[in-house]
Amino acid sequence: AQSVTQLGSHVSVSEGALVLLRCNYSSSVPPYLFWYVQYPNQGLQLLLKYTTGATLVKGINGFEAEFKKSETSFHLTKPSAHMSDAAEYFCAVSWYEKLTFGTGTRLTIIP
Amino acid sequence: DGGITQSPKYLFRKEGQNVTLSCEQNLNHDAMYWYRQDPGQGLRLIYYSQIVNDFQKGDIAEGYSVSREKKESFPLTVTSAQKNPTAFYLCASSTAPGAYNEQFFGPGTRLTVL
Repeated sequence: AQSVTQLGSHVSVSEGALVLLRCNYSSSVPPYLFWYVQYPNQGLQLLLKYTTGATLVKGINGFEAEFKKSETSFHLTKPSAHMSDAAEYFCAVSWYEKLTFGTGTRLTIIP
Repeated sequence: DGGITQSPKYLFRKEGQNVTLSCEQNLNHDAMYWYRQDPGQGLRLIYYSQIVNDFQKGDIAEGYSVSREKKESFPLTVTSAQKNPTAFYLCASSTAPGAYNEQFFGPGTRLTVL
């Protein structure tokens, strides 16, 4: 079975500071991994995904994530936070045709 | 403009009533999904369908039912058997069922049972 753990349900960073959102996964097979973003009262939007190949994945809005098999991690980063990054972020791992989501991390940006 | 439509955005119902949430997509996707979102619990899969006239239970199917009579439509009925139906419901679709296919999400329906 697949599972996802997101460390920290709430993260606050200052505008312009580094954003780091943590995601660890458990998978019995090589994983496909996703990061989604959700703005209040909206659906989810894909930020980036890892399937195969390069372990550093670049996504939209300046976000990137690195797949580290030895650490079973897929942390999301952005060098410089912007006010518009305030949202909830979900990490997900794919199991055949189904996605298993983490419980989410709410990112707050401090002006 | 392709996408997923969910209606209505807000829905209020009395306890004991069945209610049907609409999900339509014009992306020509084969697979469709229904999720329930509660604060602090992430998204949990209710039902999914890989092809027309076929669907499978997800992790929390009790108290819900679905149909897939058309490729573009995947309505979800919340029945009176669902003990705690108040939640945010999200519909999603993907080009085909497969681990590497990203899912595209609709805007969601917030259901409140009074």
